[in-house]
Amino acid sequence: AQKVTQAQTEISVVEKEDVTLDCVYETRDTTYYLFWYKQPPSGELVFLIRRNSFDEQNEISGRYSWNFQKSTSSFNFTITASQVVDSAVYFCALRKDGSSNTGKLIFGQGTTLQVKP
Amino acid sequence: DTGVSQDPRHKITKRGQNVTFRCDPISEHNRLYWYRQTLGQGPEFLTYFQNEAQLEKSRLLSDRFSAERPKGSFSTLEIQRTEQGDSAMYLCASSFPEDYGYTFGSGTRLTVV
Repeated sequence: AQKVTQAQTEISVVEKEDVTLDCVYETRDTTYYLFWYKQPPSGELVFLIRRNSFDEQNEISGRYSWNFQKSTSSFNFTITASQVVDSAVYFCALRKDGSSNTGKLIFGQGTTLQVKP
Repeated sequence: DTGVSQDPRHKITKRGQNVTFRCDPISEHNRLYWYRQTLGQGPEFLTYFQNEAQLEKSRLLSDRFSAERPKGSFSTLEIQRTEQGDSAMYLCASSFPEDYGYTFGSGTRLTVV
């Protein structure tokens, strides 16, 4: 069975602080994809990143960085120098790979990030 | 084409009534998904279309739920005899098969009173 766990329900930080959102996943598949999405108050899920299970290189995109560790089944997301506009709900998601893949995503419960000015 | 459109954005209905939601995917996207999101939870997969064929349905999709995608373009999700437990955000997404992430719409928030 596939499962994604985001243990942090809510995080509150002050602007300019760094913050890390945790994501732990479970899967028996050898190939899979991991994702992070942002859901602002408007409700639309915004794609942030995709990571293939074979690629454990960390990735940085501006103030965002992601740490993928297969050994601990984790795919954590760090926002550096947080801003008020980062306030949203963030979801980690898992998708199996392969010819039978339908593209279905398994989401975690989400972490609500509040960045205070 | 500006993205995935969903209509209506909000729907309030009385228990027992039928409701229908519409999703217009990004044109030329042949994959379309429906998800349901309840308060404080992540989205849960409901069903998936490739063109007009419905290829997978979640066990969450009870007999009261039906989805269609005639001609492989827009899709509708109908809920018959709504129950209070159906209150949720219903999200639609679309993609090409080779896409590894997909584009979500803003959702339809259903409230059953």
